[in-house]
Amino acid sequence: AQTVTQSQPEMSVQEAETVTLSCTYDTSESNYYLFWYKQPPSRQMILVIRQEAYKQQNATENRFSVNFQKAAKSFSLKISDSQLGDTAMYFCALNQRSNKLIFGTGTLLAVQP
Amino acid sequence: SQTIHQWPATLVQPVGSPLSLECTVEGTSNPNLYWYRQAAGRGLQLLFYSVGIGQISSEVPQNLSASRPQDRQFILSSKKLLLSDSGFYLCAWAGQGFSPLHFGNGTRLTVT
Repeated sequence: AQTVTQSQPEMSVQEAETVTLSCTYDTSESNYYLFWYKQPPSRQMILVIRQEAYKQQNATENRFSVNFQKAAKSFSLKISDSQLGDTAMYFCALNQRSNKLIFGTGTLLAVQP
Repeated sequence: SQTIHQWPATLVQPVGSPLSLECTVEGTSNPNLYWYRQAAGRGLQLLFYSVGIGQISSEVPQNLSASRPQDRQFILSSKKLLLSDSGFYLCAWAGQGFSPLHFGNGTRLTVT
């Protein structure tokens, strides 16, 4: 079965610091995509970053980067220079051949001033 | 550019009443369409997805149904709402292949 696990329900970080959110997944497919979505208090789901399983290079989008460990089925999100606007729920998601995204339960990140 | 519209934003309905939530997509053709539910501000549960007109796949047996009468229209319905149907409903679309999902702004449904 395909599963996505986020073991950190809540995290806190000081403004300007770096924080890493964890995600592990399980799939039997060889090709797939992984995503991180952000859901701020407005509840709008915003795509943060994506990673294709065949690409060894970790994806980077400005202050956001991932550490993709395919053998370990791990996909963590690193946020550098945290800003107050980064306060949100973060969801890890797996997209396989069926194009159905499976989401983790989320990590609530609070950036403290 | 592609946009997705979802309405209403908020809905309060009594138990036993019908439900109709609508979602439309602009700027693309033959999208994959999805309905997700988010309960208690936590994870997203996939309810239905559609790869084409009239093609609906249900992920979870429940009191809800979905329809896709037009290529870019996706409707979530219920004949009789239950208290347990309360939640935040999100519509999304995606292109073919391993495309990311693009979400609407959601509907907060409260069944009283």
